[in-house]
Amino acid sequence: GAVVSQHPSWVICKSGTSVKIECRSLDFQATTMFWYRQFPKQSLMLMATSNEGSKATYEQGVEKDKFLINHASLTLSTLTVTSAHPEDSSFYICSAPLAVVMETQYFGPGTRLLVL
Amino acid sequence: EDKVVQSPLSLVVHEGDTVTLNCSYEVTNFRSLLWYKQEKKAPTFLFMLTSSGIEKKSGRLSSILDKKELFSILNITATQTGDSAIYLCAVGEMNRDDKIIFGKGTRLHILP
Repeated sequence: GAVVSQHPSWVICKSGTSVKIECRSLDFQATTMFWYRQFPKQSLMLMATSNEGSKATYEQGVEKDKFLINHASLTLSTLTVTSAHPEDSSFYICSAPLAVVMETQYFGPGTRLLVL
Repeated sequence: EDKVVQSPLSLVVHEGDTVTLNCSYEVTNFRSLLWYKQEKKAPTFLFMLTSSGIEKKSGRLSSILDKKELFSILNITATQTGDSAIYLCAVGEMNRDDKIIFGKGTRLHILP
C-alpha cells in the first residue's frame, strides 16, 4: 500500500528557533498534501493544504508566516515552524491522497514537537 | 460549531464484547464519510462510505451510512485488546479540495 513518511519523528528545540518537518510520499506522487496538528486527547485539526507548484492554502486561524509550507516536488512537502514557542508543542501529521482515490488519505507517522 | 460529532467520547468494554461507535455529521455538500483507527501514531484508514444502506465489512469491523439521518456507525464484534484505539470519523465535502473534517474521536479501551 501507499506509504507516507515524516522526518523527524521527534524534535525538541529551544524557544525562538525554527523547525522543519518533512513529509514524503514514498511510492506515489502527491500534488496535494495536508498538514494537521493534534493536541493531546484531541482530534486532528487541519492546518493547511500544500499544493505542488503553488502556494499553500491555510485554514482560518492558522498563521501562514509562522507555519511555512513548501511543496517542492511531487513527493515532498515541508512544514517549517518559525520562531517556535512552547505553545507550538504538538503532534504534527501530514497526509497525502492517492490521485485515483482522492478520498483515501495516507497519513505519515507524525512528528512530535516539544518547544522548551 | 462541530460539523462531525462522535459518541461516545470514551468507552471501556471487556474482550469479546461488541461495540457500536456513532458518528453524526452536518455538512453542506456531503461527499463521503471515512473511519480511521488511531493507535499511538497517525490514523490508519478503515472504511469510506458514500452510499446509504450499504454495509462495508472488514473482518470483525463493519460500518454503514445513513445519508437521510446524517449518521454512520462503526461496529466491532468479538472485540480484542488490539482493538483498543481512538476511532476517528471524518467527512469530506464537495468542492473542498479533498479536505476532510474530523470528529473528536471515540477512545475505546478493551479490557482483557
